Amino acid sequence: QKEVEQDPGPLSVPEGAIVSLNCTYSNSAFQYFMWYRQYSRKGPELLMYTYSSGNKEDGRFTAQVDKSSKYISLFIRDSQPSDSATYLCAIRNNFNKFYFGSGTKLNVKP
Amino acid sequence: DTEVTQTPKHLVMGMTNKKSLKCEQHMGHRAMYWYKQKAKKPPELMFVYSYEKLSINESVPSRFSPECPNSSLLNLHLHALQPEDSALYLCASSQDDDGQETQYFGPGTRLLVL
Repeated sequence: QKEVEQDPGPLSVPEGAIVSLNCTYSNSAFQYFMWYRQYSRKGPELLMYTYSSGNKEDGRFTAQVDKSSKYISLFIRDSQPSDSATYLCAIRNNFNKFYFGSGTKLNVKP
Repeated sequence: DTEVTQTPKHLVMGMTNKKSLKCEQHMGHRAMYWYKQKAKKPPELMFVYSYEKLSINESVPSRFSPECPNSSLLNLHLHALQPEDSALYLCASSQDDDGQETQYFGPGTRLLVL
């Protein structure tokens, strides 16, 4: 079983829609959860990180962690064409090792 | 400043060449990473340095040789690569303590092996 599972998409939505991106993970000991955005041919850019359970909001982005279900989500409100990218979830173990999801390709249509 | 820089941006090399990729950060981070990313795939961890010591080597072939000269710099020496090694090579860094566990990536070096 992979440490992190993520639906690769692609996910296509109209501009202004609410986007929901999700990952599941296998190890309940994981404590640190991140979302990265990666534009084509660029390095991943950190969007959000959360520690343990709960929600974290930053502008149009909300990250949510449900440790009981081992499920993490990223919500994007009022999506824009500039949000079109691949979104990677990542989880860190206690030994500095980061596990990445396969990435979900998002396309926001004008 | 949350910037990780990488040079060169692009590299084309033959299978007999020796080249080096360079990475630099000035955030005071004590953990630095090399990842390899193929098209439409997530980054794959290659090496982790923690406090300038190699702490994780993900069974990477010896034709890739990492080096951490100091806490701000990370190199990846390449020798006798194969065409299948063509990929985006990403450097990242993180604080490596309990205060901040986020990992910041550089823009990557796009490597083509002919």
